[in-house]
Amino acid sequence: TQLLEQSPQFLSIQEGENLTVYCNSSSVFSSLQWYRQEPGEGPVLLVTVVTGGEVKKLKRLTFQFGDARKDSSLHITAAQPGDTGLYLCAGAISGYNFNKFYFGSGTKLNVKP
Amino acid sequence: ETGVTQSPTHLIKTRGQQVTLRCSSQSGHNTVSWYQQALGQGPQFIFQYYREEENGRGNFPPRFSGLQFPNYSSELNVNALELDDSALYLCASSLGVFGPYEQYFGPGTRLTVT
Repeated sequence: TQLLEQSPQFLSIQEGENLTVYCNSSSVFSSLQWYRQEPGEGPVLLVTVVTGGEVKKLKRLTFQFGDARKDSSLHITAAQPGDTGLYLCAGAISGYNFNKFYFGSGTKLNVKP
Repeated sequence: ETGVTQSPTHLIKTRGQQVTLRCSSQSGHNTVSWYQQALGQGPQFIFQYYREEENGRGNFPPRFSGLQFPNYSSELNVNALELDDSALYLCASSLGVFGPYEQYFGPGTRLTVT
């Protein structure tokens, strides 16, 4: 079982539609990151959220960290074909002198023109 | 400023063999983490190196080992390869180990074990 559950696993929408991806856990994270990954490439960091209830905006993308720091969401407004990719959330749990990141299994987004 | 690089890009090995994967961290970064990403899954944490020492490990057997060099580049070694080791291996570099630090990933090495 994954420490972080992402939903939905797959999403196929038309250009211009809005969507939300969810990342849930029963564990508390010291921070949470969202990445986008293209086929054959490494994940690219989109945002880091740290404080419970924090909201960050990156153009048409809005990221929210849950008040209890156990969950997060990514909302995309007016999706474009360029948004197509695998979206991954990763929560950090701090140990003695290190941060270990736990990834969700990803949401594969396809935006059709 | 150079990004994270990994070599080789692709590798095919036979079950039972050993493999070494390499990673050059982003300029100025002293921490490297290695991840295994199976097809259709999110990356799984293997271990992390900070200033040439392993300082965190995921649920991977001892046949997965690593090194970090004085220039902060790193190697991942896998002995006695198994078919399930076929995956994309990613390294990520960052500055420091105390959060919330940001990780920057390389393009990965695609390992196929036959």
